[in-house]
Amino acid sequence: QLVLTQAPSASASLGASVKLTCTLSSGHSDYAIAWHQQQPEKGPRYLMKLNSDGSHNKGDGIPDRFSGSSSGAERYLTISSLQSEDEADYYCQTWGTGIVAFGGGTKLTVL
Amino acid sequence: QVQLVQSGAEVKKPGASVKVSCKASGYSFTAYYFHWVRQAPGQGLEWMGWMNPSNGVTNYAEKFQGRVTMTRDTATSTAYMELGKMISDDTAVYYCARAAAGVAAAEILAYWGQGTLVTVSS
Repeated sequence: QLVLTQAPSASASLGASVKLTCTLSSGHSDYAIAWHQQQPEKGPRYLMKLNSDGSHNKGDGIPDRFSGSSSGAERYLTISSLQSEDEADYYCQTWGTGIVAFGGGTKLTVL
Repeated sequence: QVQLVQSGAEVKKPGASVKVSCKASGYSFTAYYFHWVRQAPGQGLEWMGWMNPSNGVTNYAEKFQGRVTMTRDTATSTAYMELGKMISDDTAVYYCARAAAGVAAAEILAYWGQGTLVTVSS
């Protein structure tokens, strides 16, 4: 079964960096994923597609502060130089034959 | 630029159906898959299915099969999602999303509508 696991919450200080993790279920470690950001009271926003080799393609207008990397079954989203507007929920998303799956989301608090 | 504009909020009684629209602009409507995703209050994102707007072929999540219908009107570049036999647990914000461009990108949700709140209440 294709499942994505995310920590429910994370926090980091203004101006610092944070690395969020999304873990693919067993047998799916070579899958690509997408990262999405959802700011409070807004709809989701596509950030990037992240491949198993760490290469990634960002969406329109996504700042260089956002980057992705991979290691085994783990997919990471790193946000550097944190700003107040980065406080949001972050969802990873993947896909298989006939299905699309989302992780449970990580709520990022900027201190 | 790509824009997806959804219809307004709805209130429905249990057992009723709702039809949400998603009007696309800024690109060729039939070139990219549409997805529908919902989010219950305080919860995460839940994928409902996709539709290929070039031919109307659909693929629904198992949970919604038999209750959801995704259609489109190519003349007006509008996608529709109809959910039937609704219960209170169907109360959620419903989003349409367009797939990304490129090879093997049909399942990457790259552009999102603003969302439509559907409330199911007696």
